[in-house]
Amino acid sequence: KAGVTQTPRYLIKTRGQQVTLSCSPISGHRSVSWYQQTPGQGLQFLFEYFSETQRNKGNFPGRFSGRQFSNSRSEMNVSTLELGDSALYLCASSLLGQEQETQYFGPGTRLLVL
Amino acid sequence: AQSVTQLGSHVSVSEGALVLLRCNYSSSVPPYLFWYVQYPNQGLQLLLKYTSAATLVKGINGFEAEFKKSETSFHLTKPSAHMSDAAEYFCAVSDRGGGFKTIFGAGTRLFVKA
Repeated sequence: KAGVTQTPRYLIKTRGQQVTLSCSPISGHRSVSWYQQTPGQGLQFLFEYFSETQRNKGNFPGRFSGRQFSNSRSEMNVSTLELGDSALYLCASSLLGQEQETQYFGPGTRLLVL
Repeated sequence: AQSVTQLGSHVSVSEGALVLLRCNYSSSVPPYLFWYVQYPNQGLQLLLKYTSAATLVKGINGFEAEFKKSETSFHLTKPSAHMSDAAEYFCAVSDRGGGFKTIFGAGTRLFVKA
């Protein structure tokens, strides 16, 4: 079974632009979570989607948004990029979205904002 | 509110020596606890998890962790370090109910000396 895939793997943008990142979960998984990883702040929870609904949200500004499609694929969008948005964005999927389940992580999208 | 504290941002051990990575958590209810490993330029991989069954949890690659409620700790150990264990390790906590909103510790980078 294929793992979690994220596209693109690397991205360079300039301040003020917007960006869309994509995540394809493991086949059959219904929950997708997004995390931001930076050297200064570590791994921070962005949001979780389950059956096309945002179920949980971390403490990020409204510039960060996401959605999930009927096939469980998810996208996250960051508008009006800032230098501080440079990070590794990780996506994780789980089968039923239950907290004790194993989350399977993708390799991440590394975003550099210039 | 949940939180996770990993003691020591860097730990160095010799090959064959005991690995001990420390994690303390704070949670208002009995939590789910996880240890993840991250190799360079990769996503996270689950090592083991505590979901309120046995307090001593065995994971992959010879790692294990013991849940100690009285000490609010979930330290990760491995009897004998191998060069391939060099990576970054993250302790994480997730409350029960309501889906994923996993909180990660700051991470501990493990160095293994030959």
